Amino acid sequence: NAGVTQTPKFQVLKTGQSMTLQCAQDMNHEYMSWYRQDPGMGLRLIHYSVGAGITDQGEVPNGYNVSRSTTEDFPLRLLSAAPSQTSVYFCMAGPYAGELFFGEGSRLTVL
Amino acid sequence: GENVEQHPSTLSVQEGDSAVIKCTYSDSASNYFPWYKQELGKRPQLIIDIRSNVGEKKDQRIAVTLNKTAKHFSLHITETQPEDSAVYFCAAPSSGTASKLTFGTGTRLQVTL
Repeated sequence: NAGVTQTPKFQVLKTGQSMTLQCAQDMNHEYMSWYRQDPGMGLRLIHYSVGAGITDQGEVPNGYNVSRSTTEDFPLRLLSAAPSQTSVYFCMAGPYAGELFFGEGSRLTVL
Repeated sequence: GENVEQHPSTLSVQEGDSAVIKCTYSDSASNYFPWYKQELGKRPQLIIDIRSNVGEKKDQRIAVTLNKTAKHFSLHITETQPEDSAVYFCAAPSSGTASKLTFGTGTRLQVTL
């Protein structure tokens, strides 16, 4: 499935804590992105990157930071976790303008 | 940005019947339309996609049709089976960034025996 690996798969945080969700791909794809999935809200784009050194905001970027220092990795950082960030997070990767594939997802609970 | 609307939100069909899910998009420059299937507790999986230079694409029991003039595209599943039960998402790219997908809100398909 295009080799998109996310860690951790599950995480529980307390309000105010910070953490990083990791996403790695081994197919040398240019495009990577992060989505969150909430019941009834579908999949919403948080941040995306069209290549190393290039990132941009999606629909719901507040409270999240990203960086793309290498083609392979695209970590998502939560600076100060809030209960509203309880969600399932999916990383996505693929060739630019090509087929895009999801990682297995990371379920985050913020208490 | 792109706006994608998906209907219906839920769909129940009997095994062997056909199912149709429809999506509309707002950006006339969009040229790539994928469909994803998500089973309970799993990641969305790409099942079929279509580019704007064709009007229809088939892969066994699934097909996608595209009407660029009306800005809508549809997923057709024939001879439905219980394993087709899942949530289906359509998507379209935002203008200027081919891979920046906006998703519909999903259709929960239930295939009953």
